[in-house]
Amino acid sequence: SQQGEEDPQALSIQEGENATMNCSYKTSINNLQWYRQNSGRGLVHLILIRSNEREKHSGRLRVTLDTSKKSSSLLITASRAADTASYFCATLPTGANNLFFGTGTRLTVIP
Amino acid sequence: EPEVTQTPSHQVTQMGQEVILRCVPISNHLYFYWYRQILGQKVEFLVSFYNNEISEKSEIFDDQFSVERPDGSNFTLKIRSTKLEDSAMYFCASSEAWRKETQYFGPGTRLLVL
Repeated sequence: SQQGEEDPQALSIQEGENATMNCSYKTSINNLQWYRQNSGRGLVHLILIRSNEREKHSGRLRVTLDTSKKSSSLLITASRAADTASYFCATLPTGANNLFFGTGTRLTVIP
Repeated sequence: EPEVTQTPSHQVTQMGQEVILRCVPISNHLYFYWYRQILGQKVEFLVSFYNNEISEKSEIFDDQFSVERPDGSNFTLKIRSTKLEDSAMYFCASSEAWRKETQYFGPGTRLLVL
């Protein structure tokens, strides 16, 4: 399977703390994308990191990619209650054009 | 900011009925996709579409499914004879380029088959 697996499955933190979510995958990839999904709602694209990139920032988000370990992490700094959602990594395997989604991490930020 | 739109947001249908889910991709995008998410499960790829034909499809996308771009803006997913197990959230996505670019997702259509 090319699908990613997120870790942890659920994470609960206090507002203001940092949240780190990890994603592992199995095949070579072209890029890896992180998405956010509020309960029962659509997927919101957060950030894309290409296979030749190691780190990327967007506002309070920091994404790292280690292709040798086939893993990525998403760090949300200074979390807010509004960050409460499920976060998914999605890989674009080399040679494919469809995304393979992970199982997701359910983040709860307690005010 | 341009976004992918989908209609309807919710659809309830009887088993065996045909449904058509509609999507309007971002206007300058050339690649279109359908994914689905059964409640509590992963998002799964169904089909990709480019230049008026299917580019790739998954095992899920069997003969009961079809896609069409009937005009310059809409992209549709048809399920000919719905089954109970077709109940899911269906997401449309579009991207500007093949393979390397961000896929932007619509808000989804929640389909319930009774």
